[in-house]
Amino acid sequence: GAVVSQHPSWVICKSGTSVKIECRSLDFQATTMFWYRQFPKQSLMLMATSNEGSKATYEQGVEKDKFLINHASLTLSTLTVTSAHPEDSSFYICSASIRQGADSPLHFGNGTRLTVT
Amino acid sequence: AQTVTQSQPEMSVQEAETVTLSCTYDTSENNYYLFWYKQPPSRQMILVIRQEAYKQQNATENRFSVNFQKAAKSFSLKISDSQLGDTAMYFCAFMKQYNNDMRFGAGTRLTVKP
Repeated sequence: GAVVSQHPSWVICKSGTSVKIECRSLDFQATTMFWYRQFPKQSLMLMATSNEGSKATYEQGVEKDKFLINHASLTLSTLTVTSAHPEDSSFYICSASIRQGADSPLHFGNGTRLTVT
Repeated sequence: AQTVTQSQPEMSVQEAETVTLSCTYDTSENNYYLFWYKQPPSRQMILVIRQEAYKQQNATENRFSVNFQKAAKSFSLKISDSQLGDTAMYFCAFMKQYNNDMRFGAGTRLTVKP
């Protein structure tokens, strides 16, 4: 089956630094990737939609300058948390699909736990 | 905007028994997809079952089945013969027909007791 690899699985960084999270589709080309954020014991909240070769579309309330998304190839999307603060500590999950449309299933990465100290 | 509501934050069931998790949603779309995802402690999102809104027949996957009531905008998940490995968070999710923008409910934490 289709595999989405997310790296790193966990990361600890200091306040003010930036951290990059990678989301790779290993055995398929993903035209669209999604980034979610999940606080402890809460649901997944969509942050942004990443389309290969174009700018990401951010959900309302998500700061695009703080959460930089790049989807430079059909197999890789990156989320960079810039100038991280403790309130950015969370679990970040990506998902990917081959094409737009609900008949194309979403494949989820294993998530990245970010802790900002 | 679509909203997905799961009104049961936590539920428990005895091993081998049946449990039903509730989900309601709100949309003005006519064609869409509904999903149940399982998230065990590993945090991996695992697709349990999906339902196309244009299909009247309820989806089933082994011990998992849904009761899809389109007019009532209800999409409940029934787990039969519950197993200890079913212990997890369960999320109900909605997706429009022509994109992959998936919206999740708040989740239900299910505990299967031995």
